[in-house]
Amino acid sequence: QSVLTQPPSASGTPGQGVTISCSGSRSNIGSNDISWYHQLPGTAPKLLILRNDQRPLGVPDRFSASKSGTSASLAISGLRSEDEAYYYCASWDDSLNSPVFGGGTRLTVL
Amino acid sequence: EVQLLESGGGLVRPGGSLRLSCTASGFSFVGYAMNWVRQAPGKGLEWVSAISGGGDDIYYAASVRGRFTVSRDNAKKTLYLQMNSLRAEDTAVYYCAKTDYECSGDRCYLDAFDIWGQGTMVTVSS
Repeated sequence: QSVLTQPPSASGTPGQGVTISCSGSRSNIGSNDISWYHQLPGTAPKLLILRNDQRPLGVPDRFSASKSGTSASLAISGLRSEDEAYYYCASWDDSLNSPVFGGGTRLTVL
Repeated sequence: EVQLLESGGGLVRPGGSLRLSCTASGFSFVGYAMNWVRQAPGKGLEWVSAISGGGDDIYYAASVRGRFTVSRDNAKKTLYLQMNSLRAEDTAVYYCAKTDYECSGDRCYLDAFDIWGQGTMVTVSS
């Protein structure tokens, strides 16, 4: 059971938009920054969003994120087939004194 | 190019030991905290351990505390994970990942995992 809660799956058609949620508590998302990662099968995770809503260099602006209270969301616009991957959220947890991950969301582009 | 390269994975019997290494290049290794994150087959990501740039601050997940030891050699730009008393549930791909380490007063935390290695597979089985 992951500390951060994500839906196990999400889907959309090419060109559409999709949103993936991440729910936590006051000790993690409510008090700390959140980051997002995507992972293609058989490859290492890659940073997508850091510090709630910042995109690293090279990440297209089709990817955006926000945080409110103890929840956060990742939005992907203009879906492409190459967006089909697993997406994970993560945050620092003050109670556990450690980083925590969400269980991951498998995004399918229909 | 910023790069992390893990090695040392393999097949080990329950109760056995293994040492993983992660060699860094392309950035000032001593300036960053380093982490181990694992992923069991078909499962999500699980953070395992972290060590600050100077090695003074060390963190472990409850699932590995007392069995795993993280260390680093900044002269060699290498991160290590000594894994003892291995169990079947430790079977996973182990990634090393770089983070900023932020401290304000007596509160410290790890920032986003911005660079990941390709991973090394550890299989614990008889």
